[in-house]
Amino acid sequence: SQKIEQNSEALNIQEGKTATLTCNYTNYSPAYLQWYRQDPGRGPVFLLLIRENEKEKRKERLKVTFDTTLKQSLFHITASQPADSATYLCALPGNSGYALNFGKGTSLLVTP
Amino acid sequence: GAVVSQHPSWVICKSGTSVKIECRSLDFQATTMFWYRQFPKQSLMLMATSNEGSKATYEQGVEKDKFLINHASLTLSTLTVTSAHPEDSSFYICSARSSGLRDTQYFGPGTRLTVL
Repeated sequence: SQKIEQNSEALNIQEGKTATLTCNYTNYSPAYLQWYRQDPGRGPVFLLLIRENEKEKRKERLKVTFDTTLKQSLFHITASQPADSATYLCALPGNSGYALNFGKGTSLLVTP
Repeated sequence: GAVVSQHPSWVICKSGTSVKIECRSLDFQATTMFWYRQFPKQSLMLMATSNEGSKATYEQGVEKDKFLINHASLTLSTLTVTSAHPEDSSFYICSARSSGLRDTQYFGPGTRLTVL
């Protein structure tokens, strides 16, 4: 069966450091992979999309890598800030059209 | 960016009643809308996909007679939870996709449903 795995343990880092979150998947051959941010009691907010032919993508302090051989994506936040504290979700397209399948997310806490 | 709204943001109802949740795309036309459900500390689970003017496609295990979806226009989809029970208490989130937005979905803020 298809699985999307993200670190279930919360990630605690100090302000200014780089946060690295991992997303591993099995039984997928995705054309793209997406990362979302979710704050408590809120819907997900789209951050980045990376396609299968792209190895890396950047947006401001965010960087995503996509290794289709390892079936893994890494999500980096550089110069992290307390405002970056949230749950980050990895998502892959499902079998039914454009619907997404989500991982459980990794909670990030950035402390001053 | 594209904005999707949901109404209400939270609702409390008695067991056996029906609840309607609205999802609107405010500044774009949504050819497809999706409904997800999220239980505490769990991932979002897709419930159904709806295309404007056609019947919704439900995921396995989701009762179509219990979760009625209507996508009557390109900017509005509704989810009605019929005869709600406490186990239906969850966070319901819609998302919308436009062909012009290329694989990107925009999510609503979610609706917290509590069934007593």
